[in-house]
Amino acid sequence: GQNIDQPTEMTATEGAIVQINCTYQTSGFNGLFWYQQHAGEAPTFLSYNVLDGLEEKGRFSSFLSRSKGYSYLLLKELQMKDSASYLCAVVDSNYQLIWGAGTKLIIKP
Amino acid sequence: GAGVSQTPSNKVTEKGKYVELRCDPISGHTALYWYRQSLGQGPEFLIYFQGTGAADDSGLPNDRFFAVRPEGSVSTLKIQRTERGDSAVYLCASSFRGEAYNEQFFGPGTRLTVL
Repeated sequence: GQNIDQPTEMTATEGAIVQINCTYQTSGFNGLFWYQQHAGEAPTFLSYNVLDGLEEKGRFSSFLSRSKGYSYLLLKELQMKDSASYLCAVVDSNYQLIWGAGTKLIIKP
Repeated sequence: GAGVSQTPSNKVTEKGKYVELRCDPISGHTALYWYRQSLGQGPEFLIYFQGTGAADDSGLPNDRFFAVRPEGSVSTLKIQRTERGDSAVYLCASSFRGEAYNEQFFGPGTRLTVL
């Protein structure tokens, strides 16, 4: 079967750094997305990785290791508005997005 | 430009009724996706359109669910004989061409409650 694992919930302090991990086992791999979803809102795109390594985009970075079936999202200089769920999704061999359950990130002042 | 829009934003219905949920994708996007999301879960794939045709409907849970996109733009998700277990947020997304690397733009969702 196909499986995406992420921690259910994480807590961090405003101004700090947090790393959200995602491990996956899918039938094929055609890239990995990270989306942010605020409560009651639609997911919005953060990043896409298809090659190994780190992609940096402002305060957010995403890392991929295809051999380990592993990715992480790194958020720096945390702000209260970063409180949201972060969803990891893998594009499988059928070009279908397989979604994780999301990691709820709570930012404390 | 306008994003993906969905109507209605909320729908409350009774068990056994028929409902239609509408999605207006971003103009020019050929790929359109329907998902449903339950609280605390990620989106669950239902169906994917490329143009007017359903390229992948493997996620539709049973034959009570059906979706159309007759002109390659607006799509309607139709649910017959609704059941309480159908209660969820139904999300629609569109992308430029449906390539693996194309980000999907999501609409605000329709919250369906079946009483």
